[in-house]
Amino acid sequence: KAGVTQTPRYLIKTRGQQVTLSCSPISGHRSVSWYQQTPGQGLQFLFEYFSETQRNKGNFPGRFSGRQFSNSRSEMNVSTLELGDSALYLCASSSGTRSDTQYFGPGTRLTVL
Amino acid sequence: GESVGLHLPTLSVQEGDNSIINCAYSNSASDYFIWYKQESGKGPQFIIDIRSNMDKRQGQRVTVLLNKTVKHLSLQIAATQPGDSAVYFCAENERNDMRFGAGTRLTVKP
Repeated sequence: KAGVTQTPRYLIKTRGQQVTLSCSPISGHRSVSWYQQTPGQGLQFLFEYFSETQRNKGNFPGRFSGRQFSNSRSEMNVSTLELGDSALYLCASSSGTRSDTQYFGPGTRLTVL
Repeated sequence: GESVGLHLPTLSVQEGDNSIINCAYSNSASDYFIWYKQESGKGPQFIIDIRSNMDKRQGQRVTVLLNKTVKHLSLQIAATQPGDSAVYFCAENERNDMRFGAGTRLTVKP
């Protein structure tokens, strides 16, 4: 079974731009969670989607948004990028809710200049 | 204000020795725990999990111990190898809320 895939793997943007990241979960998994990982803050939860609905949301500003499609693939969008948004963005999928074992993708490394 | 980066605890072991990585969790209501391994430039990789109705679980070369009395979780790696060098972090789940620890950096010396 293929693992969680994320595209693109690397991205360089400038302040004020917006970015869309994509995540394909493990086949059969319906829950997708997004995390931001930085050296300064560690792994921080952004949001979780289950059956195309946002189930949980972390403590991030409204510039961070996401969605999930009927095939469970998910995208997250960050608008009006700031330097502090530079991070590794990780997607994790699980079979049910976020409480199940989450399997992570390789991440998208976003650099904001 | 000035931001302070996370200072990861580090553990350095000799190849072939056993490693023990510790994690203190915060919520006595947490009922599910996972250990992840994250190598440089990669996403976290699931290693082993344990439910709160158990106090020990073994995998291949790894053992997780759970002490609910003191809210402590540990990961034991037997015969540590250079490929085990990574950041290890624990995750706890309480009522569908998964929280991750900061991690411990394990370095294996040949």
